[in-house]
Amino acid sequence: GNSVTQMEGPVTLSEEAFLTINCTYTATGYPSLFWYVQYPGEGLQLLLKATKADDKGSNKGFEATYRKETTSFHLEKGSVQVSDSAVYFCALSENFGNEKLTFGTGTRLTIIP
Amino acid sequence: DAGVIQSPRHEVTEMGQEVTLRCKPISGHNSLFWYRQTMMRGLELLIYFNNNVPIDDSGMPEDRFSAKMPNASFSTLKIQPSEPRDSAVYFCASRPTGEGNSPLHFGNGTRLTVT
Repeated sequence: GNSVTQMEGPVTLSEEAFLTINCTYTATGYPSLFWYVQYPGEGLQLLLKATKADDKGSNKGFEATYRKETTSFHLEKGSVQVSDSAVYFCALSENFGNEKLTFGTGTRLTIIP
Repeated sequence: DAGVIQSPRHEVTEMGQEVTLRCKPISGHNSLFWYRQTMMRGLELLIYFNNNVPIDDSGMPEDRFSAKMPNASFSTLKIQPSEPRDSAVYFCASRPTGEGNSPLHFGNGTRLTVT
């Protein structure tokens, strides 16, 4: 079956530091990959996505590249801000048929000034 | 687009009482999902519907939980009787059916506390 493994948290960084949150996946086909972000008291919201190998998703300074050879979709940002403090979830979805998203366990990120 | 709308935002109830959570998906989204989030277990899929039909309810914890989708614009998740271990944040989410590369859109959740 499908699964997503992401970096255990919590992660604490200083403002302007470089961020990497690792995510690897197992899937039977060629899924679409997503990063979601959850701010305190809110639901998850899409941060970025990539639908095929070598695609790069980007938004708000965050990037992730769909690497089929390493089955990875690591999230990166060059210079984090306090406002990036949130919980980040990696997820995958099969492109056809099964509607479910498979989520990772989430990584809590705290940025200190 | 108002997004996925859930009500109530907060619910506090006593053990043994019936609880009903409500969700209005985004118009045109024919797949609807109910999730539960806790510190211990993270995000768990309880059930999802396609075109108002329950497709997979394997995540529903036990018979005390039931979900319905009487029409394309409304779904309920009911817990009867409620127990303290049901305390969690319950999220509803929707997406277009058959479009695996489209993201889920989440509501802001219902925080349930059972005392």
